[in-house]
Amino acid sequence: QKEVEQNSGPLSVPEGAIASLNCTYSDRGSQSFFWYRQYSGKSPELIMFIYSNGDKEDGRFTAQLNKASQYVSLLIRDSQPSDSATYLCAVRSNDMRFGAGTRLTVKP
Amino acid sequence: NAGVTQTPKFQVLKTGQSMTLQCAQDMNHNSMYWYRQDPGMGLRLIYYSASEGTTDKGEVPNGYNVSRLNKREFSLRLESAVPSQTSVYFCASSATYYYGYTFGSGTRLTVV
Repeated sequence: QKEVEQNSGPLSVPEGAIASLNCTYSDRGSQSFFWYRQYSGKSPELIMFIYSNGDKEDGRFTAQLNKASQYVSLLIRDSQPSDSATYLCAVRSNDMRFGAGTRLTVKP
Repeated sequence: NAGVTQTPKFQVLKTGQSMTLQCAQDMNHNSMYWYRQDPGMGLRLIYYSASEGTTDKGEVPNGYNVSRLNKREFSLRLESAVPSQTSVYFCASSATYYYGYTFGSGTRLTVV
């Protein structure tokens, strides 16, 4: 079982819709949770982090964490074509473990 | 503000050759990391340095060595390259071990 699992996609949404990206993790002792965006051929870029159960909003992005279910998600509201990228979920317990990423395509 | 700078950006090696990947950060971060990224496998930690003067193995350290030269610089060495080391290598840094990362632009390495 992978430690951090994401649906590889591709996830396709129309412009202006809400994109929902999901991630599950296996280590109940995990302390902090991160979302990175990676454009094709580029390096990952940190876009959100969350440490406590509940929701955290930053502009069009909302991170949601449910430690009991070992589940973290990223919602992107009013999706734009420029949001088309691979989104990596990362979870820190003893070290940082990354999921393989979900490829998102936003169609105009 | 350059952030995290990696060199080289591209490299082709023959099996058995050695090389060093260089990484430097100008954000006064304490922790630095080397990852490799392969299709379908995500980012895997090779080595990390939680603070200047310390280095530790990550998930996939075999075939690699590292040096934390000073607070700014963290290099990755392949002593005798093999084709399975063909990958994209990313250096990253963070303010402390528990913060999110800033990544360098990556090195695309091919071993033939």
